[in-house]
Amino acid sequence: QVQLVQSGAEVKKPGASVKVSCKASGYTFTSYDINWVRQATGQGLEWVGWMNPNTGNTGYAQKFQGRVTFTRDTSISTAYMELTSLRSDDTAVYYCARPTYCSSTSCSRDFDYWGQGTLVTVSS
Amino acid sequence: DIQMTQSPSSLSASVGDRVTITCRASQSISNYLNWYQQKPGKAPKLLIYTASSLQNGVPSRFSGSGSGTDFTLTISSLQPEDFATYYCQQSYSSSLTFGGGTKVELK
Repeated sequence: QVQLVQSGAEVKKPGASVKVSCKASGYTFTSYDINWVRQATGQGLEWVGWMNPNTGNTGYAQKFQGRVTFTRDTSISTAYMELTSLRSDDTAVYYCARPTYCSSTSCSRDFDYWGQGTLVTVSS
Repeated sequence: DIQMTQSPSSLSASVGDRVTITCRASQSISNYLNWYQQKPGKAPKLLIYTASSLQNGVPSRFSGSGSGTDFTLTISSLQPEDFATYYCQQSYSSSLTFGGGTKVELK
């Protein structure tokens, strides 16, 4: 069965960086994009961006451009999100998510599998 | 970015009620509209994709409609497990956006 398992909670100081992992299993990792979505406590969902694990191509929401980087290690079917220059308003649960389907050229942009979420707390 | 506006932001309903949630896009998004259900402490769950297609395994009491800028999610007969927050999401533009959410509570 498809699973996305994320790394554990993190506590960081303002200005620091955080790297969250998302380990995929139950499907061919390089066949589906990985997207990242975050949710501040009691707030709505906010899309961060996407990565194609096969090519390494990425796309970031404009709000996060310059502060976020997606990478992957295909040998262990794991995607990573690194967010730098952390601020208190980056405190949120970060989810990785997989599209419902992908062809050889593109993926849908609705998500049927999600990680369990990683709480990142930014506090001095 | 395309703005997605949901209404109401919350509603109170009883088991068996018919519930309708609306989502409006700031520009036409054709039928590139998805609906999710989220329960506290859990990841979102996909209910409806491309405005009206029911995701595998989702009960048929959930339905979606609309195109262009105006969309609705309908729960035909609310069940106890349906009390949750619902989000719409547009997948038309390269930058994805979600609505603010609608919390469905027990009356």
